Amino acid sequence: AQSVAQPEDQVNVAEGNPLTVKCTYSVSGNPYLFWYVQYPNRGLQFLLKYITGDNLVKGSYGFEAEFNKSQTSFHLKKPSALVSDSALYFCAVRVAGGSSNTGKLIFGQGTTLQVKP
Amino acid sequence: GAVVSQHPSRVICKSGTSVKIECRSLDFQATTMFWYRQFPKKSLMLMATSNEGSKATYEQGVEKDKFLINHASLTLSTLTVTSAHPEDSSFYICSAPGLAGEQYFGPGTRLTVT
Repeated sequence: AQSVAQPEDQVNVAEGNPLTVKCTYSVSGNPYLFWYVQYPNRGLQFLLKYITGDNLVKGSYGFEAEFNKSQTSFHLKKPSALVSDSALYFCAVRVAGGSSNTGKLIFGQGTTLQVKP
Repeated sequence: GAVVSQHPSRVICKSGTSVKIECRSLDFQATTMFWYRQFPKKSLMLMATSNEGSKATYEQGVEKDKFLINHASLTLSTLTVTSAHPEDSSFYICSAPGLAGEQYFGPGTRLTVT
């Protein structure tokens, strides 16, 4: 069965410090991986994705993620956190089968990122 | 980027009534849309896949007669919560897939059943 795990409910960092939000996955076949961010009472905003190619993926708002096949991880990172980065972050994997642009997503549990001034 | 809208953004209804939520893709066509339910500070639970011109596909445990989905056009899917009860109160979010594999999410609808 395919699944996504975000082991941390909450991550706290000081503004200006690097941040990492962890994600591990379990899929059959090649993974299609995504990160989304959600602000309070809002829908999800797409940050970045890994489909194929370079393991280091760069996305919106200075975020990046590193695909590690051997560790089945796709951790989200940012070199210098901002207070405005405080939000709920979701890792997701596309369910195998179907075309690449219509497949449904399985989401991790979500990690709340708190950046303090 | 692609935009997905939802209407209404918030709705309060009385127990026993029905509520319709609309999901529109504003600048692209979507033969498939997804409906999610989210509890406070929790992950999204996929409820169903809405298919234009055919029946929706419901996830296990989701009552299709309670959560009616209609995808009548390439830009509109609707979710109707029938005979709503307080336990149906939640944040409902729709999404539509983009061309490059990502999904575009609507802003969500906060349903409160009193």
